[in-house]
Amino acid sequence: GQSLEQPSEVTAVEGAIVQINCTYQTSGFYGLSWYQQHDGGAPTFLSYNALDGLEETGRFSSFLSRSDSYGYLLLQELQMKDSASYFCAVNGDKLIFGTGTRLQVFP
Amino acid sequence: SQTIHQWPATLVQPVGSPLSLECTVEGTSNPNLYWYRQAAGRGLQLLFYSVGIGQISSEVPQNLSASRPQDRQFILSSKKLLLSDSGFYLCALRRPRGENTEAFFGQGTRLTVV
Repeated sequence: GQSLEQPSEVTAVEGAIVQINCTYQTSGFYGLSWYQQHDGGAPTFLSYNALDGLEETGRFSSFLSRSDSYGYLLLQELQMKDSASYFCAVNGDKLIFGTGTRLQVFP
Repeated sequence: SQTIHQWPATLVQPVGSPLSLECTVEGTSNPNLYWYRQAAGRGLQLLFYSVGIGQISSEVPQNLSASRPQDRQFILSSKKLLLSDSGFYLCALRRPRGENTEAFFGQGTRLTVV
């Protein structure tokens, strides 16, 4: 089967750095994606890693280690608007999502 | 650019009633289409996906079915709703020929079965 595990909740203050981890167990793996979802809204794409290493997109970076079946999303210079749920997802024949991490940013 | 239309935004249905949710896409051809369900505060559960007209893969045994009568139309149905069918239903698309492509989501339908 396929499974992705994430911490259920993370809290931080404005300006801080947060890392959200994701471990996965799957077949047919092409890469790991990250999505953001605000309450009541639809998920939106943040980043994608097909190869090992770090991908940087502005304040957000994502890392992948295929040998460890592990990845993380790094959020820097946190802002209040970053409070949302974050999902890792395995890209393969299908698109399977993790359990989600709720990030709360405090002033 | 591609867009996804889902309606209605909210729906309240009695137990035992039928359901039909429609998702239509624009701005792309031959997309891979997906139906997800999200319980409150939970992750996205993949229900069905389709790589082409009439091609449906079911992920979870359930009270639901899906159909793709046209390239840009994906329908989620039920003959008799259960209380457990309540949730936030999301339609998504990915461009074909590239498992590294991002998914675009519709705005979702929040279904409450009473």
